[in-house]
Amino acid sequence: RKEVEQDPGPFNVPEGATVAFNCTYSNSASQSFFWYRQDCRKEPKLLMSVYSSGNEDGRFTAQLNRASQYISLLIRDSKLSDSATYLCVVRNAGNMLTFGGGTRLMVKP
Amino acid sequence: NAGVTQTPKFRILKIGQSMTLQCTQDMNHNYMYWYRQDPGMGLKLIYYSVGAGITDKGEVPNGYNVSRSTTEDFPLRLELAAPSQTSVYFCASSVTGELFFGEGSRLTVL
Repeated sequence: RKEVEQDPGPFNVPEGATVAFNCTYSNSASQSFFWYRQDCRKEPKLLMSVYSSGNEDGRFTAQLNRASQYISLLIRDSKLSDSATYLCVVRNAGNMLTFGGGTRLMVKP
Repeated sequence: NAGVTQTPKFRILKIGQSMTLQCTQDMNHNYMYWYRQDPGMGLKLIYYSVGAGITDKGEVPNGYNVSRSTTEDFPLRLELAAPSQTSVYFCASSVTGELFFGEGSRLTVL
């Protein structure tokens, strides 16, 4: 089993739709969780950290379920500019950061 | 704001050649990382460093070497290039968990 797993997609959604991605992790001792966004042929950039209580940033909501060992990202009112690959990142002891394979989102007009 | 700078951005190597990918950061971050990303895949950790003089293997270290003589620099060396090392290489640094990436180095081994 991979340490961090994501559905690769692609998720094809119309503008204005709500879409959700999940990411599962295998190490129950994982300490911190993040969502990164990566545009085609570019470097990943931090989208948001994921806190235990859940957190929201505009149209984006991230949640953590430690019992089931998954994190989620919800995007409301999708925009064309949201089209990208979303990477789940898990931090373990020693500041080791492990990436999931990414979920590709395509928002269509 | 330089952040993390990688050179070269593109390189074509012949099988068996060696080269060094340079990475430097000006944010005084202790942690630095090298990842590789194959087409359509996620990032895999090659090596990382928690500070000057300290390096550790990641998930896919074979065929690579690193050094960390200063806080700023974290070069990645390929000794005997192989076609399997064709990939995009990202250097990153962090202090609190957020990673700051360089723009990537696209390496092709023919």
